[in-house]
Amino acid sequence: DQQVKQNSPSLSVQEGRISILNCDYTNSMFDYFLWYKKYPAEGPTFLISISSIKDKNEDGRFTVFLNKSAKHLSLHIVPSQPGDSAVYFCAARPSNFGNEKLTFGTGTRLTIIP
Amino acid sequence: AAGVIQSPRHLIKEKRETATLKCYPIPRHDTVYWYQQGPGQDPQFLISFYEKMQSDKGSIPDRFSAQQFSDYHSELNMSSLELGDSALYFCASSVELGTSGLDTQYFGPGTRLTVL
Repeated sequence: DQQVKQNSPSLSVQEGRISILNCDYTNSMFDYFLWYKKYPAEGPTFLISISSIKDKNEDGRFTVFLNKSAKHLSLHIVPSQPGDSAVYFCAARPSNFGNEKLTFGTGTRLTIIP
Repeated sequence: AAGVIQSPRHLIKEKRETATLKCYPIPRHDTVYWYQQGPGQDPQFLISFYEKMQSDKGSIPDRFSAQQFSDYHSELNMSSLELGDSALYFCASSVELGTSGLDTQYFGPGTRLTVL
C-alpha cells in the first residue's frame, strides 16, 4: 500500500521554464513533508520541507505548496536549470514526535532540456 | 559542512555470507536511520536509533540486526545474505530542533550491496 504517491515517473521541461512535480498522500497522520533530489550513485539530498501549518514554503528557486484538504503537495522549480535533472522524491512523516521515519514516494525523474 | 559517511560504498558478497555496513552521522546528530532501496523502488525504512536505543523498526528481516554505538555511529549487520538483498542501503541522520518535533533527515551516499 503506497501511502505516498508520485504518479508521474518522469517529466521533461525546457531550460528556463517552470518544473512542477506532484505528490499525493493517503495517511492523514502525515503532516510534515520533505522533497529530496537524488543523482545516480549518490544519496538523497534534502531540498525543502513544509509542515501542515503552512500552505507554502519558498527557498530560492524552489517552492513547495501543500493542499492538506486534498492531501496533495507540489514542488515548483523556476527557472529550471540543467543541473536540476535528477530523480525527485517526496517524503512524509507525522510531526507529533521527533525521530520519525520517512515514507517515500516512488520518485519522478526530471529531465531539463537545454 | 560535514555529511553522513557510509562505508563501504560498494560491497559484493556471495549468498549465505554476512555483511556489515557502517554509518557515521553528522556530528551532534543523535538519530540514525537505515533505508533500503531496491532497483527502481523508493527507499524503504528498515530501522532507526535514537541515543543508542532502537526507536523504530520497519520492514527489516530477522537476518539483519543493527546497533548504534556510544560515538553515535551505527552498523547494520546482515547475515545469510540472499539475492534479494542486493540493493542500495542508505543511512540518514537527524537531530530534533527545539520542541517542534520536526527534524530533517540528511542522507549518506549509500552502500551498494550486490549479492551473487
